[in-house]
Amino acid sequence: AQTVTQSQPEMSVQEAETVTLSCTYDTSESDYYLFWYKQPPSRQMILVIRQEAYKQQNATENRFSVNFQKAAKSFSLKISDSQLGDAAMYFCAYRTGANSKLTFGKGITLSVRP
Amino acid sequence: GAGVSQSPSNKVTEKGKDVELRCDPISGHTALYWYRQRLGQGLEFLIYFQGNSAPDKSGLPSDRFSAERTGESVSTLTIQRTQQEDSAVYLCASSLPGLLAGGNEQFFGPGTRLTVL
Repeated sequence: AQTVTQSQPEMSVQEAETVTLSCTYDTSESDYYLFWYKQPPSRQMILVIRQEAYKQQNATENRFSVNFQKAAKSFSLKISDSQLGDAAMYFCAYRTGANSKLTFGKGITLSVRP
Repeated sequence: GAGVSQSPSNKVTEKGKDVELRCDPISGHTALYWYRQRLGQGLEFLIYFQGNSAPDKSGLPSDRFSAERTGESVSTLTIQRTQQEDSAVYLCASSLPGLLAGGNEQFFGPGTRLTVL
């Protein structure tokens, strides 16, 4: 069974600084997709960034980038120039093409200090 | 365009009562998913619909839970004889079908917060 582990329950970052959120996963599949979702207090899940396992290049979306280490089964999210609006819960998630459900980690609460 | 909508936003019920939670997916999204999020936890998969058939029901926790979908539209999640452990936020998501289904983004609704007293 696939599992996703987020071992840090909480992190804090100073506004304008950089923070890295960790995620590891376990799978026997060779083709899969990894995601980071943001959940603010409104409960709305928002896709932050997506990585296809077959791509060696790390995905980047503006201030958000990932460090995808396939052999180590690691998928960390880096947030640069942190903003107050980045404060939220962040979930790492995994999905295969054959099985369409998302498997989520327990999430990490990110706070941003002004 | 309109996103995924869910109703009610909040539901308080007494133990033993039945509840129905509704999800309206984005138009044209044939894939629909239900997840459960307990307080402070990640999302747990419940059931997946492709059109009105459910090829994956593996996450439904007991026979008290059921779901149906009308065509490629509205879905209803029903919990019978609710228990206190059913208290959670129930989230619905929809996505496009296709060969790259694994990579297609799932768009989430705002969820229904269910409280069982």
